[in-house]
Amino acid sequence: GNSVTQMEGPVTLSEEAFLTINCTYTATGYPSLFWYVQYPGEGLQLLLKATKADDKGSNKGFEATYRKETTSFHLEKGSVQVSDSAVYFCALSVITGRRALTFGSGTRLQVQP
Amino acid sequence: GAVVSQHPSWVICKSGTSVKIECRSLDFQATTMFWYRQFPKQSLMLMATSNEGSKATYEQGVEKDKFLINHASLTLSTLTVTSAHPEDSSFYICSARGLMGTEQFFGPGTRLTVL
Repeated sequence: GNSVTQMEGPVTLSEEAFLTINCTYTATGYPSLFWYVQYPGEGLQLLLKATKADDKGSNKGFEATYRKETTSFHLEKGSVQVSDSAVYFCALSVITGRRALTFGSGTRLQVQP
Repeated sequence: GAVVSQHPSWVICKSGTSVKIECRSLDFQATTMFWYRQFPKQSLMLMATSNEGSKATYEQGVEKDKFLINHASLTLSTLTVTSAHPEDSSFYICSARGLMGTEQFFGPGTRLTVL
């Protein structure tokens, strides 16, 4: 089956620190990979995605590279801001079938001024 | 991006009653809608997938007679929790995808508390 494993939180950083949130996956078939963000009191929003090996998704200063050889899709940002405080979910979707999303457990990021 | 709304945003009900949650795509036609359940500090678990005009496909372990899903139009899907019990208390989230789209757009969620 499909599964996503991501590092447990909470992750607490100071403003302008470097962020890495690890994500690894197992999948039957060739998945697309996603990072979603959930700000307090809001619904999930797509942050970035990658659909094939070695693709790099990027948005709002966040980046993640689809690494097929290590089955990973780690999220990085060079300098976090207080406004980045949220819960981040790694997810995958297999192209065939219903293309439902399989989510990781989520990582809460707290950025302190 | 596309907007998906849910109503109500929160609901409290007594054990044994039924609760209906609506999911609407506001500016696009959603041929497929997904319903998820999220427990505190845990991930989203897919409950079921519904396509407009057809029966929902439920994930293993999800009682279809307890969680009734109707996707009667291209902009509306409903989840009815029948004979709710305290263990049904959770955060329910829907998402919607258009006919040619690959991206799912998520609603803000509905918090259900069963007393």
